[in-house]
Order: sequence, then C-alpha cells, then structure tokens
Amino acid sequence: GENVEQHPSTLSVQEGDSAVIKCTYSDSASNYFPWYKQELGKGPQLIIDIRSNVGEKKDQRIAVTLNKTAKHFSLHITETQPEDSAVYFCAADRSEGTYKYIFGTGTRLKVLA
Amino acid sequence: GAGVSQTPSNKVTEKGKYVELRCDPISGHTALYWYRQSLGQGPEFLIYFQGTGAADDSGLPNDRFFAVRPEGSVSTLKIQRTERGDSAVYLCASSLGLATDTQYFGPGTRLTVL
Repeated sequence: GENVEQHPSTLSVQEGDSAVIKCTYSDSASNYFPWYKQELGKGPQLIIDIRSNVGEKKDQRIAVTLNKTAKHFSLHITETQPEDSAVYFCAADRSEGTYKYIFGTGTRLKVLA
Repeated sequence: GAGVSQTPSNKVTEKGKYVELRCDPISGHTALYWYRQSLGQGPEFLIYFQGTGAADDSGLPNDRFFAVRPEGSVSTLKIQRTERGDSAVYLCASSLGLATDTQYFGPGTRLTVL
C-alpha cells in the first residue's frame, strides 16, 4: 500500500545548530505535504506545509523543501531552541477520492541546551 | 478561535466493554477525520466524514468500530467489545472540506483497555 518513510527516528542537536528530517512518499498522486509537531500528551500541531506546485517554503526558522521527481521532502529547522524538542511527523495526502493523510513514523528531536 | 476538542481526555475500560469517544470540530469545518495513534507511531487513518456522511471508512479495522456524525458537526467514535489491542490515542481532526485543506488535530483521547 501507499506509505511514507521518515528518517531519522531520533535526532539530537546542540542548541543553535540546525536539524534536518527527511521523508519519502510512494503515491505519485500526492500533492500536499504537511509537517506536524507533537509534544507529549498533546495532539499534532501543524508547523508548516508545502504543495506540489512549489519547491521550497520558509517560515522564520523553519523551511520545507520538496522534490516531486524523487518523491521526497525535508524539514529544516535552523537555530534550534530547547522548545523545539518534540516529535515531528511528516505526512502526504491521498487526493484520489479521499482526503486522508498518510503519516511517517515520526522523529524525536532533542535540542540540548 | 476554539480548536478541535475531544472528550474524554483519558478513558480506561475493561476488555469486552463498549466505549464512545467524542469529537467537536472547529466551527464551520465540514470535513472530520478520525485517526488512531499507537505508541511510537504516526497517526493512522480510520474514517473521514464530509458533512453527515462517511465518505471513506476504509481505515476502520473491523466491524467493532463505528462512527457517526448525525448533524454534520460533533462526531462519536464507538468501539464495541473492546480488546487490549484497541489501546491507543484516538485523534480527531477537522478541515474546511476541500481536498487541499489543512487538517487541524484535537488533543486526542487516550484509551486504555485492561
């Protein structure tokens, strides 16, 4: 079936360094790719998204890049802060007849002070 | 404005019992989704409503699971004859209703089946 692979599963960085999380999707019909941040005991919170008609999007310290040919997209966090520590999920939509998302398995990011 | 709300936040039940989980979507959102998240995993799709009707229920694991949205707003996920394997966080999300609309998630209900 359709799936989204996410790497790495855990990532530790020093405060102020950059963090990169990568995802690969299999459904060539996917057109929308959101990234969610999930803190302990809370629901996923959208932090940034990208649509298939653009290759890169930036919002302050967070950026996402998309390569539709290779079917992969990445999250970049610069100048990391301790409050960035959380689990991050990538997702891809299934636009053919259903609006559900397929999620990656998550990356636990730890920002060390 | 108010986000997606879910009640209860935690539910502990015994194997074989029936449970209901409630979701209140963002006002004006016509699309509503249920996902299930097991420990250490990403959310997995269960069912999607457009208005009152279930447009896609392909993710429901078996016929013990059922969901309704009778007035096109609040939704209830119902699980009959619960099993220990049903233990997970059940997440609800809503969106404006178009294919390209972002889904906004609630805080989830943690279900524990003893």
